[in-house]
Amino acid sequence: DVKVTQSSRYLVKRTGEKVFLECVQDMDHENMFWYRQDPGLGLRLIYFSYDVKMKEKGDIPEGYSVSREKKERFSLILESASTNQTSMYLCASMGGDEQFFGPGTRLTVL
Amino acid sequence: GDSVTQMEGPVTLSEEAFLTINCTYTATGYPSLFWYVQYPGEGLQLLLKATKADDKGSNKGFEATYRKETTSFHLEKGSVQVSDSAVYFCALAMYSGGGADGLTFGKGTHLIIQP
Repeated sequence: DVKVTQSSRYLVKRTGEKVFLECVQDMDHENMFWYRQDPGLGLRLIYFSYDVKMKEKGDIPEGYSVSREKKERFSLILESASTNQTSMYLCASMGGDEQFFGPGTRLTVL
Repeated sequence: GDSVTQMEGPVTLSEEAFLTINCTYTATGYPSLFWYVQYPGEGLQLLLKATKADDKGSNKGFEATYRKETTSFHLEKGSVQVSDSAVYFCALAMYSGGGADGLTFGKGTHLIIQP
């Protein structure tokens, strides 16, 4: 079975902290994605990666960076968390034309 | 840029009712189209997809047909169940040389089925 895991289901951080959200897939997929989900806005693409050490900006990259040192792992980094980054973060990997999603991390920034 | 518009909810129906959730899209090329479902407390799951005009995707009693002339991909089910209560997302994907540049999602439709 396809599996995408995210390091935390719930996370609470303070303004200004550096935050790491980790995502791991076990399907040997090359393409991985980070989205944020907000009520009334749906899902919006933050960053994606075609391969190790490659990254591309999505629609809302400001305030975020990513790291892809290994094929199976794609990390989202908030360099200095702000309250407007409180959201649900979803990671996905892609096989064929289908994206497989992790369960999400609900991040609250106080 | 590419965009997806879907009816916003919540949509409340009685069990065994007929369901339609409208979805239209704007894209510069020929996208693949998807419906994803998110059950409470879970991540998104692919419900069905269609990759070219006139294709019909189907799964679990749900259907959607890729209509290029109306740029639509409406989701339908003949008889809904309480277990279909979830949030439904319409999405499109465009493909470049490196693969899909991410999905473009609609805002989601919250479906509530009452017994």
